[in-house]
Amino acid sequence: GENVEQHPSTLSVQEGDSAVIKCTYSDSASNYFPWYKQELGKRPQLIIDIRSNVGEKKDQRIAVTLNKTAKHFSLHITETQPEDSAVYFCAASKGGGADGLTFGKGTHLIIQP
Amino acid sequence: DTAVSQTPKYLVTQMGNDKSIKCEQNLGHDTMYWYKQDSKKFLKIMFSYNNKELIINETVPNRFSPKSPDKAHLNLHINSLELGDSAVYFCASQGLTEAFFGQGTRLTVV
Repeated sequence: GENVEQHPSTLSVQEGDSAVIKCTYSDSASNYFPWYKQELGKRPQLIIDIRSNVGEKKDQRIAVTLNKTAKHFSLHITETQPEDSAVYFCAASKGGGADGLTFGKGTHLIIQP
Repeated sequence: DTAVSQTPKYLVTQMGNDKSIKCEQNLGHDTMYWYKQDSKKFLKIMFSYNNKELIINETVPNRFSPKSPDKAHLNLHINSLELGDSAVYFCASQGLTEAFFGQGTRLTVV
């Protein structure tokens, strides 16, 4: 089955700086790569996603890049703000159907004031 | 109107008891899941249902039994609860891409 590795497990950055979280996946058939944000005590919520036919996608301060050849994808957050503090999960799936999302182990992002 | 709702939000029970968690989605999705989030925050899929049929059954003790009466509902029944079952359980539904999660059920076995 799919295996998703995520690094780092904890990331502390100064407010206003950029944050980068990296993930690798093992199954070359995976074609859908979402990122979820989970605030303390809340449910995971999608913040951005990318399909395998696209190399990069941006939405305001967040962007995701995908390298299919190397089987890795990254989340970039620019101009970090205190409300960006949360646990971020990357995931991979074959998209549609009922294969489910295989999640990385999460990155606890801490924004230092 | 909540897209994926699960109840209860908190569940405290003694070892050996049987309990159920209910989940309902109003998104019209065919696929629903149960995920377990342990104390280290790792999200692991337990079950996947597509249009009421079980598709994925990960390595989960058979004390856990999902039931899908229709494609909008996926309930989780747990028999003979153990201390190690304490976790947050999330229901989710998925269309072609995004998976929507319920609010989670924090299960504490004492």
